[in-house]
Amino acid sequence: ETGVTQTPRHLVMGMTNKKSLKCEQHLGHNAMYWYKQSAKKPLELMFVYNFKEQTENNSVPSRFSPECPNSSHLFLHLHTLQPEDSALYLCASSQDVTGLAGKETQYFGPGTRLLVL
Amino acid sequence: DAKTTQPPSMDCAEGRAANLPCNHSTISGNEYVYWYRQIHSQGPQYIIHGLKNNETNEMASLIITEDRKSSTLILPHATLRDTAVYYCIVRVAYNTDKLIFGTGTRLQVFP
Repeated sequence: ETGVTQTPRHLVMGMTNKKSLKCEQHLGHNAMYWYKQSAKKPLELMFVYNFKEQTENNSVPSRFSPECPNSSHLFLHLHTLQPEDSALYLCASSQDVTGLAGKETQYFGPGTRLLVL
Repeated sequence: DAKTTQPPSMDCAEGRAANLPCNHSTISGNEYVYWYRQIHSQGPQYIIHGLKNNETNEMASLIITEDRKSSTLILPHATLRDTAVYYCIVRVAYNTDKLIFGTGTRLQVFP
């Protein structure tokens, strides 16, 4: 148990559906992240939020729309996805994105395994 | 960006020490070495990190060479639950927390 929860754990959706992934951290952290892990590929950073502000968008297609209403919650809204978007989506949090090493240590949730049909 | 090189896979007998090597020959002076692991179908788990001194915590030890061009993660008494992919990561820049994961080392602990 890392203090980062993600729901749902599994999701199957069609290409015309709209769904949202939710992440919640109970660690009092200020930074939150979305990563994508496709089969047999390294984790890819998608978005970074620091104090609710988006600080990084790693050239992610607009069919992925993040939302960070507060430092404890992070959403990933999905619409008109493609089958190649099927992957494990991981959320992480850290105390901060700058400063002394250690504060930047990221703690990951268990992930949402997404299948797009 | 500094990059890391790790063997793709390693085996270790249960109860023995697992020594996982990592090369990071282009590391900069202010970049830290981080180790994470990912057990199948779970999120990555932080293990340990260091700058230039050796570090130890309840999970593992990190040995960094004097020239900082390589490091070794040591699991002193490997168990079956330590079977996972282990990632050695060099923190890219000081003012962002972008962790770039490579392909890691798949450690298989056998009975």
